[in-house]
Amino acid sequence: GAVVSQHPSRVICKSGTSVKIECRSLDFQATTMFWYRQFPKQSLMLMATSNEGSKATYEQGVEKDKFLINHASLTLSTLTVTSAHPEDSSFYICSARDLQAHTEAFFGQGTRLTVV
Amino acid sequence: AQSVAQPEDQVNVAEGNPLTVKCTYSVSGNPYLFWYVQYPNRGLQFLLKYITGDNLVKGSYGFEAEFNKSQTSFHLKKPSALVSDSALYFCAVTFTDSWGKLQFGAGTQVVVTP
Repeated sequence: GAVVSQHPSRVICKSGTSVKIECRSLDFQATTMFWYRQFPKQSLMLMATSNEGSKATYEQGVEKDKFLINHASLTLSTLTVTSAHPEDSSFYICSARDLQAHTEAFFGQGTRLTVV
Repeated sequence: AQSVAQPEDQVNVAEGNPLTVKCTYSVSGNPYLFWYVQYPNRGLQFLLKYITGDNLVKGSYGFEAEFNKSQTSFHLKKPSALVSDSALYFCAVTFTDSWGKLQFGAGTQVVVTP
């Protein structure tokens, strides 16, 4: 299957600082990527759809100024958590679909964000 | 509105016994259904999918699932569970007009005991 790489896997930051998470499709081009958030022992909630070359589409209730998404190339999308606070601590996961080869989405390994 | 339900928070099974993880869906139109598995602090690994065709789908690691339109179910099964199958399992649905945009069930923790 297609490979999606997410970096970093873990990050600890101070309250008020910003953190950038990268999501790369390693062996395919992804015009669309997706960002999810997962709280402990809970399911994944879609935050936004990242579109290459255009603005991201955010789900209802997700602050677009808090969670900045940039999809500047066909293989890279970034999620920046701005002015992070402890309540932003969570597990963030990206996914992408290889339109040429697969009908299923492939996921990155996730990023554990802890804001102290 | 579409939704996916996994009625069991946890499933306990002894190694070697059959494993079933339940999933039901409520959608309008034709759904595309998926099963993913998640190990602690890791992303999701794809197990199998139903798009069209044969209702019995075979996937990775010996798992299979049966799409039942009349019961709106897509239960995941494995004939003989392994301790290494212990993980969190998610059922998910998407549609052709929102490819890749998955709606997940709440997840079912599978615990396989030796």
